[in-house]
Amino acid sequence: NAGVTQTPKFRILKIGQSMTLQCTQDMNHNYMYWYRQDPGMGLKLIYYSVGAGITDKGEVPNGYNVSRSTTEDFPLRLELAAPSQTSVYFCASSARGQYNSPLHFGNGTRLTVT
Amino acid sequence: AQTVTQSQPEMSVQEAETVTLSCTYDTSESDYYLFWYKQPPSRQMILVIRQEAYKQQNATENRFSVNFQKAAKSFSLKISDSQLGDAAMYFCAYRSKAAGNKLTFGGGTRVLVKP
Repeated sequence: NAGVTQTPKFRILKIGQSMTLQCTQDMNHNYMYWYRQDPGMGLKLIYYSVGAGITDKGEVPNGYNVSRSTTEDFPLRLELAAPSQTSVYFCASSARGQYNSPLHFGNGTRLTVT
Repeated sequence: AQTVTQSQPEMSVQEAETVTLSCTYDTSESDYYLFWYKQPPSRQMILVIRQEAYKQQNATENRFSVNFQKAAKSFSLKISDSQLGDAAMYFCAYRSKAAGNKLTFGGGTRVLVKP
């Protein structure tokens, strides 16, 4: 059972470049999330989705875009990379209605923008 | 908006001793869930323990236990008989249906375990 899979694991971008962080889950979870974690800090919510076709902004959405065309996939797009986006990005998922259940996290993508 | 505060950036504990991590949160809701996650150097996010706000009994999981004080909005984690493998970042987190089922994290506490 793969759970939540994120690709790539590491990436270095130049300022102004674009990229998509991929996230897929095989647990048929309705809810999916993108978080970023800056060094020595907690996780901050970028975007989340409660189902295919539905997305909403989190705490720090500026500079990012998401889409949710299928239940399984929730890609995160960076259009014009900036040094402030250097961070570790986590994708997570959970089942609908199970609020006491933990989120299932991917292993993260470390992104450096130089 | 809900906020979660961890006031201890770092805690040090001797192996086999006990350490307590603090967490406070701010909410106007009555039905919510609280979690402690562990993040070792591998970056993996591992659930340690969870507490449902409507349950008065404090949750325990082996060497991990919580002190949940709903009126004070406090949710501390106690690690007993600390082991070298407990060294990690620990995050307190809050979740509720009213908040859109999002998980809000505190800033984390780094736990160092001395042999």
